[in-house]
Amino acid sequence: QKEVEQDPGPLSVPEGAIVSLNCTYSNSAFQYFMWYRQYSRKGPELLMYTYSSGNKEDGRFTAQVDKSSKYISLFIRDSQPSDSATYLCAMSAGVNTGNQFYFGTGTSLTVIP
Amino acid sequence: GAVVSQHPSWVICKSGTSVKIECRSLDFQATTMFWYRQFPKQSLMLMATSNEGSKATYEQGVEKDKFLINHASLTLSTLTVTSAHPEDSSFYICSARPMAGVNTEAFFGQGTRLTVV
Repeated sequence: QKEVEQDPGPLSVPEGAIVSLNCTYSNSAFQYFMWYRQYSRKGPELLMYTYSSGNKEDGRFTAQVDKSSKYISLFIRDSQPSDSATYLCAMSAGVNTGNQFYFGTGTSLTVIP
Repeated sequence: GAVVSQHPSWVICKSGTSVKIECRSLDFQATTMFWYRQFPKQSLMLMATSNEGSKATYEQGVEKDKFLINHASLTLSTLTVTSAHPEDSSFYICSARPMAGVNTEAFFGQGTRLTVV
């Protein structure tokens, strides 16, 4: 079983739609959860960084962490064509366990104008 | 956010030659840098963890003699692909974590697309 599971998609939505991206994980030691956006042929760009459970909002983006279910989500409101990219979730157990990041496979999102 | 610069962004080389990729943290110091490899439509695969002033820690299955990593300063790490072969063609990405803070997020370079012909 992979440490992190993420549906690769592809996911296509009309402009203005609410997008929900999700990852599940198996390691209960994970405490730090990240979402990255990666455009084609570019390096990943950090979108959201969350510690432990709860919600975090930044503009049109909301990250949710449910540690009891080992499930994290990224919501994109009022999606725009410029949001078309691959979204990677990543998580870490922290510096005491080597601080290694574990990535999902990424979900490819296309927002259609 | 913090800026990580990776150079070159793309390179084509002949089989058997060596290629060096640089990763620089421009506005912060990074004790640790990470090197990843990414195949099309796949996630990032950690190759090695590079600590300033010490030998890199390689993941299982990654040949340390083929992928030479040097972390000479708190702002620079290099990955050298030695005696490159077509199967080494891939997208290589570095990331760096700022020294400030205990458990901080990592910032990525823009990646280097290596094509070996």
